[in-house]
Amino acid sequence: NAGVTQTPKFQVLKTGQSMTLQCAQDMNHEYMSWYRQDPGMGLRLIHYSVGAGITDQGEVPNGYNVSRSTTEDFPLRLLSAAPSQTSVYFCASSYWTLQGFGNTIYFGEGSWLTVV
Amino acid sequence: GESVGLHLPTLSVQEGDNSIINCAYSNSASDYFIWYKQESGKGPQFIIDIRSNMDKRQGQRVTVLLNKTVKHLSLQIAATQPGDSAVYFCAENLGNAGNMLTFGGGTRLMVKP
Repeated sequence: NAGVTQTPKFQVLKTGQSMTLQCAQDMNHEYMSWYRQDPGMGLRLIHYSVGAGITDQGEVPNGYNVSRSTTEDFPLRLLSAAPSQTSVYFCASSYWTLQGFGNTIYFGEGSWLTVV
Repeated sequence: GESVGLHLPTLSVQEGDNSIINCAYSNSASDYFIWYKQESGKGPQFIIDIRSNMDKRQGQRVTVLLNKTVKHLSLQIAATQPGDSAVYFCAENLGNAGNMLTFGGGTRLMVKP
């Protein structure tokens, strides 16, 4: 059981390049989401999914695409990288319980992205 | 838009003392809150959560207090240890869909030996 796995850990992109951040979970969780964290700030929701085939926008979706073709995978695509997308990206997965879901949210270790 | 925020960016405490980290929220419809700990280079780690129908919840060495009248959350850490040094975030559930969260800006806790 690996939990939530993100790749790559570090990436440097040139402005205008595209890339995909990978996220995989092996816990059969229904819910997955992507957040970005800028220096000294909290996480902001980019996109989320409540199940395979279903995605929706979060607080800061512009410049990013997602898909959820399987329960396990939730890749985040940067269409045309900009310096403003320099950030740390966290993927998370969870399942819902009647008691709440706080302790069921599992975060990945993060992907550090620099756009030059 | 409405958001969750924190009063103090940095809190420095002596080892063994109690720590109190505060958080203000503005969305009166919020019904679920979570405190996270984040160590350098790592993802957020769940500490404790609380629903809006409660005003206090206790865990191991941690207590969360919720004051809905003034829309205020606090995290109390008893007998603070060096391993507690980290950034602490409060987060608010945006809705019923799994893990949609709005995070506050974070407070850095520094524990002096």
